[in-house]
Amino acid sequence: GAGVSQTPSNKVTEKGKYVELRCDPISGHTALYWYRQSLGQGPEFLIYFQGTGAADDSGLPNDRFFAVRPEGSVSTLKIQRTERGDSAVYLCASSLRAGGNEQYFGPGTRLTVT
Amino acid sequence: SQQGEEDPQALSIQEGENATMNCSYKTSINNLQWYRQNSGRGLVHLILIRSNEREKHSGRLRVTLDTSKKSSSLLITASRAADTASYFCGGTSYGKLTFGQGTILTVHP
Repeated sequence: GAGVSQTPSNKVTEKGKYVELRCDPISGHTALYWYRQSLGQGPEFLIYFQGTGAADDSGLPNDRFFAVRPEGSVSTLKIQRTERGDSAVYLCASSLRAGGNEQYFGPGTRLTVT
Repeated sequence: SQQGEEDPQALSIQEGENATMNCSYKTSINNLQWYRQNSGRGLVHLILIRSNEREKHSGRLRVTLDTSKKSSSLLITASRAADTASYFCGGTSYGKLTFGQGTILTVHP
């Protein structure tokens, strides 16, 4: 079956603008995760959903970041008033359920804030 | 914050040699997962080892886990040029993965 997909693959935006990043998980996976990866670093956890609800949003850096998953499938990561420091690759992953299962990653969205 | 550290940070070997990468983590985990990443994009899942397992094999991959030392190792046998990539370990705790900084593996043909 299809893997995790993310759109857009690249996004360039100006400082102060609003952006939305989309993630389509593997069909049937109930858990969905967002990570952020800066150059030369490992991915850092942002938030994860079990179904429609955010089970853990402790990794969101501040209140400019918000994510939703209204129907328990597709998720959107929203960043308000973007800053240059938000530039990174945003990775989405999904798993059958949260906890002890493999997490499968999408190709990522490279966000560049100019 | 990063969970732990990979060692070495970079590894350069010849095709056919074995590559060993180590990973340490800080907190208790349910499982540990190893991933490969090419060109800074999506991570490819390689293998998952649960906290009650000590060793696991998958093809040319062998993973060990020592929960008393909070460490894991990934062995790639008979390496190929196509194995050139960054390798990350991630510990799963309360659902989320916490990664180290990775090992950059270069396999020369």
